[in-house]
Amino acid sequence: EPEVTQTPSHQVTQMGQEVILRCVPISNHLYFYWYRQILGQKVEFLVSFYNNEISEKSEIFDDQFSVERPDGSNFTLKIRSTKLEDSAMYFCASTPSGATTDTQYFGPGTRLTVL
Amino acid sequence: ELKVEQNPLFLSMQEGKNYTIYCNYSTTSDRLYWYRQDPGKSLESLFVLLSNGAVKQEGRLMASLDTKARLSTLHITAAVHDLSATYFCAVAQSYNTDKLIFGTGTRLQVFP
Repeated sequence: EPEVTQTPSHQVTQMGQEVILRCVPISNHLYFYWYRQILGQKVEFLVSFYNNEISEKSEIFDDQFSVERPDGSNFTLKIRSTKLEDSAMYFCASTPSGATTDTQYFGPGTRLTVL
Repeated sequence: ELKVEQNPLFLSMQEGKNYTIYCNYSTTSDRLYWYRQDPGKSLESLFVLLSNGAVKQEGRLMASLDTKARLSTLHITAAVHDLSATYFCAVAQSYNTDKLIFGTGTRLQVFP
């Protein structure tokens, strides 16, 4: 069964460094998302992306964050200058068409630790 | 702003027993999802509920939606240890968005 994949599974970085989290959505899906989950807390929406542009973003998704689909398969989240509070599990998700009946399929996540 | 609350936050139950997890949300929405998360793992989709009165069942889990009451329930029948996980409900922010607002999660532990 097709699934969303993410790399790396765990990323450790120093505060102020840039990180890029990578995702490969399910191949025929057109809508892509990033969510994050701080340890022990609920899942929070960051951004949605369709047709090579951001559809919607949350207040968390400030100028330090950016997303890109650099080729036909990858979808990346970049954090330009990481802060301690960016430490979290980051989940990528995708849906086939964005229709209301669609389920968002989540990847396994990347655990980001900022020291 | 849409708020989604679940209760209980933690549930410890004996195998074979029944219980219900509740998900309340604060504003009108047309879509509600239930996800399961095992420790350190990703979110697995369980149910998508799209209309008032919708009921879906899979194995020992049954989910329902009452849009008038802004309430969804996840009912567990004759619990088994394999159901131990954290269960999240998530609600679409509005009719024309696919931004999901997640509940706080209910951590379920099933013991013999």
